[in-house]
Formats: sequence, C-alpha cells, structure tokens
Amino acid sequence: GAGVSQTPSNKVTEKGKYVELRCDPISGHTALYWYRQSLGQGPEFLIYFQGTGAADDSGLPNDRFFAVRPEGSVSTLKIQRTERGDSAVYLCASSPHPGRAAGELFFGEGSRLTVL
Amino acid sequence: DQQVKQNSPSLSVQEGRISILNCDYTNSMFDYFLWYKKYPAEGPTFLISISSIKDKNEDGRFTVFLNKSAKHLSLHIVPSQPGDSAVYFCAASAKTGTASKLTFGTGTRLQVTL
Repeated sequence: GAGVSQTPSNKVTEKGKYVELRCDPISGHTALYWYRQSLGQGPEFLIYFQGTGAADDSGLPNDRFFAVRPEGSVSTLKIQRTERGDSAVYLCASSPHPGRAAGELFFGEGSRLTVL
Repeated sequence: DQQVKQNSPSLSVQEGRISILNCDYTNSMFDYFLWYKKYPAEGPTFLISISSIKDKNEDGRFTVFLNKSAKHLSLHIVPSQPGDSAVYFCAASAKTGTASKLTFGTGTRLQVTL
C-alpha cells in the first residue's frame, strides 16, 4: 500500500527481553517520527529523523530506547530490557515536509507492545 | 504537565446536529494547531489545522476556531454524520525547535447517534 507500514502489528514479550519495531514510511517522505500512545492518553513524541540522522531524540524516555534509520527510509525502534511500563502502542509517522513547515503527519496503524 | 488538554473524554451527538469539541493549551509558544481523527485499530489521520495568525479555518463540514487570548480552540462538525464517530485528538506545535514535534491532548470520543 501507499501508507506508512509498521510491523509487527502486535508484539507480546516478557519483561527483560529485547524488542525491535519496524516502520516503512511513505515513499519520498524525508521526515520520520516515532510516537508512543499509552492507554487513555494521546500520542507522545519520542524521536524525529530528518533523512538518516536523529534531529530530535528528546522524547526517548531513557537509554533503553534507541532508534535508527540507516538509509533514510525504513526505521527501527529498539527497546532493551523491556519493562511492563513500556506496554503501549508505538506509532510511526512520516511527512514530506522537513522541519516544522506544516506539522501534518501521516501515521501508520501502530505496533501494540505488551510486556508481561 | 499536560500542555494540551481535552477535558471532555466523550461526547454524544445526534446525526445532523453540530458537534463541538474543545481543546485548551497552556504553552504560549504553540503557534500551529491540528486536529486528528482516530478510528479503532488505525493510526490517527489528519483532519484540519490552523495557524496562530488566523482565528478560523474551514474545510467542508469541519471548522476550527482559535482564541489565542483564552488559549482555546474548538472543532465544529456540522452536520454530524455517523461516520464521524471516532476519537478526536487536538495537537499543537511550537515555533521553537527544529522539528514539527506535536504535543497531543488525551482525546475526545465522539459518538454520532442515529
């Protein structure tokens, strides 16, 4: 499809395990974002990529969280030593507008992470 | 500290009537505001936006009003349709920083009844 694709759609893991979540943005979109939505909350910003580099990672909660985008397209969010509090829907979004030109983001359906 | 607040978790409106969803913000650096709609098991989709230099923006059945002095915005949907039933998120971005990093409210679930 032409939209933002996220895999897996659902991931159940045990506390302490390592998890990778993948995002395939809309072709040609240079800006890529990761957000996290906990139950009953709105999406919270995690990290923003412009091309291959992380332009703003101020939303990453701690050093267990890391994200890469090595070729400026697909991105992977990596969570080490998962904790129960990491359980949430992880949303990826892309935008054709670099920086803050418009603010409109195209979101994927999200990856629901459950840490037991 | 919730910088974008949607104080009504839910709203029920009859089909054909007007739906009014409200949003308040505290950060005076916010200068661009957006509304997103979210259906279950889908990602949020962009609905309408407004820049702080305007006080109204209209797109078909959807109108967003911005009151900067009150730090308040509202989304009007008229006439409401059953397909409008979804969770609506208000979001804002600040003029500082390099990214269009959005701060979201907690959402309002709109149900349009027949």
